Amino acid sequence: AQTVTQSQPEMSVQEAETVTLSCTYDTSESNYYLFWYKQPPSRQMILVIRQEAYKQQNATENRFSVNFQKAAKSFSLKISDSQLGDTAMYFCAFMKHSGNNDMRFGAGTRLTVKP
Amino acid sequence: GAGVSQSPSNKVTEKGKDVELRCDPISGHTALYWYRQSLGQGLEFLIYFQGNSAPDKSGLPSDRFSAERTGGSVSTLTIQRTQQEDSAVYLCASSSVEGATQYFGPGTRLTVL
Repeated sequence: AQTVTQSQPEMSVQEAETVTLSCTYDTSESNYYLFWYKQPPSRQMILVIRQEAYKQQNATENRFSVNFQKAAKSFSLKISDSQLGDTAMYFCAFMKHSGNNDMRFGAGTRLTVKP
Repeated sequence: GAGVSQSPSNKVTEKGKDVELRCDPISGHTALYWYRQSLGQGLEFLIYFQGNSAPDKSGLPSDRFSAERTGGSVSTLTIQRTQQEDSAVYLCASSSVEGATQYFGPGTRLTVL
């Protein structure tokens, strides 16, 4: 079974600074997808970034980038130039490449961006 | 185009009553998922529909939970004889093909008194 661990229940960062959220996972699969989702107080889950395990290049989306270490089974999210609107719960998620495509989620990290 | 929609937004019910939660996926998406998010927790997979295949019900916590998907589009999650531990946010997601990114609805917050 796949498990996803987010070891930081809460984090805070000053506006305009950089913060890194950690995620590790456990799987015997060789091909899979990893995701970071953001959930603001509105509770709408919003996709932040997606990484395919067979790609060595780390995914980036504007101010968001990941550090994907396949051998270490680590998938951290870096948020640069943090903005007040980045305040939210952040969830790391794992999905197998084939078969049942349900996602396995970590427990989440609550990020607060301070002015 | 329109995103995933869910109704109702909030539902308060009494213990022992049945409830139905509705999900309308993005048009053309063949895969549909239901998840449950208990207070302060991550998401827990409940059930998965893909096209006309039999659904994967492996995540349903008890036989009080069931779901159907009519015409390959709208889905209804039914909880019979609700219990207080069923209180949670129920999220629906859809994707265009297997393995593709899942897009979530706003969820239904269920409160069982």
